[in-house]
Amino acid sequence: AQKVTQAQTEISVVEKEDVTLDCVYETRDTTYYLFWYKQPPSGELVFLIRRNSFDEQNEISGRYSWNFQKSTSSFNFTITASQVVDSAVYFCALSEAVEAAGNKLTFGGGTRVLVKP
Amino acid sequence: DAGITQSPRHKVTETGTPVTLRCHQTENHRYMYWYRQDPGHGLRLIHYSYGVKDTDKGEVSDGYSVSRSKTEDFLLTLESATSSQTSVYFCAISESKAAKNIQYFGAGTRLSVL
Repeated sequence: AQKVTQAQTEISVVEKEDVTLDCVYETRDTTYYLFWYKQPPSGELVFLIRRNSFDEQNEISGRYSWNFQKSTSSFNFTITASQVVDSAVYFCALSEAVEAAGNKLTFGGGTRVLVKP
Repeated sequence: DAGITQSPRHKVTETGTPVTLRCHQTENHRYMYWYRQDPGHGLRLIHYSYGVKDTDKGEVSDGYSVSRSKTEDFLLTLESATSSQTSVYFCAISESKAAKNIQYFGAGTRLSVL
């Protein structure tokens, strides 16, 4: 069975600080996908990134960066120079790569980030 | 905007009553999913569909049924609502081809069972 663990339930930072969100996953599959979603206070879920298990390159998108380490089964997310608009709940998720069955997502419990001005 | 509409957005109902939530998509995606969101659990898959009349159970399917008679609509039914089904329900769609297996979510339905 797949499992995603986000050990940090809530992180509070002051604006402009960096914040790193941890995500550890478990799967028996050799091919899989990892995702991060953002859920702002308005409640919608916003896709941030997808990474497949064969691509261990780190990725940077503006103030966001992701560190994928297969050796430790981790896919961590860093927000650099945080802003108040980054306040949200962030979810890490995992899916198999079995197209016929769709790609069912297994989510972590989420990490609430509060950025104070 | 992935063209997903959930209705109703909010609903309050009583224990034992049937409830149907609707997910409507406008972009002809093959795969549709229903999740529930509860504190500390993230989102958990209830049921999913991989085509018209093709559905299967997810992790937390007990007490729920689904139907998909048209590509664009995926209905979630609580046959006899219980207080434990108070939750926020999200519908999602995906194409699930290797380069397009990203799931996009609707705005959610907040359901309270009293």
